[in-house]
Amino acid sequence: DTAVSQTPKYLVTQMGNDKSIKCEQNLGHDTMYWYKQDSKKFLKIMFSYNNKELIINETVPNRFSPKSPDKAHLNLHINSLELGDSAVYFCASSPPGRGHTGELFFGEGSRLTVL
Amino acid sequence: DQQVKQNSPSLSVQEGRISILNCDYTNSMFDYFLWYKKYPAEGPTFLISISSIKDKNEDGRFTVFLNKSAKHLSLHIVPSQPGDSAVYFCAASETGSARQLTFGSGTQLTVLP
Repeated sequence: DTAVSQTPKYLVTQMGNDKSIKCEQNLGHDTMYWYKQDSKKFLKIMFSYNNKELIINETVPNRFSPKSPDKAHLNLHINSLELGDSAVYFCASSPPGRGHTGELFFGEGSRLTVL
Repeated sequence: DQQVKQNSPSLSVQEGRISILNCDYTNSMFDYFLWYKKYPAEGPTFLISISSIKDKNEDGRFTVFLNKSAKHLSLHIVPSQPGDSAVYFCAASETGSARQLTFGSGTQLTVLP
């Protein structure tokens, strides 16, 4: 009954490979996000989708491509992985009507290690 | 350029005592502030928030104080319990930012029994 679920939770791969992380929320929220937690522990937004439409696209390499097939899913595909992509990636969602308050519901995170 | 700063990476307190976690911000456009709590191998969970029109918000053992002139907020937990041991993230947003949160780097709180 996990509200925001991500798969896989752990991913170890070689440089240059392409990988995807999937996210699903069963909360009926209309907005979903991808955040990256780097080695300095900061959580930084990467992308935000509202009802399948991209609304935030921070400065991330275009090797990162989000895909939202419907408002309950937001997947992250990463091409040509680099060592610096190693991080924990968190998916999150937020309910409608929250305005700018930003209360988010996070998944458990996906730890990506690039060797 | 870190707009939200948590300068104490860790804090230890005795069970039953008060825990005070601090957060500073630099962007004067921020008008909503939140605290998230994170256990190992889990995602952050929302704890408490405060709008810039207030200077205090209380929810049970948790109270957040906002000092706009100093661009400083703090989270007070009293009494502290061992189950409160976690990483606490401060976050901020501004109106019209499409719910874009800026997070601090977190403070690891350890409550000793």
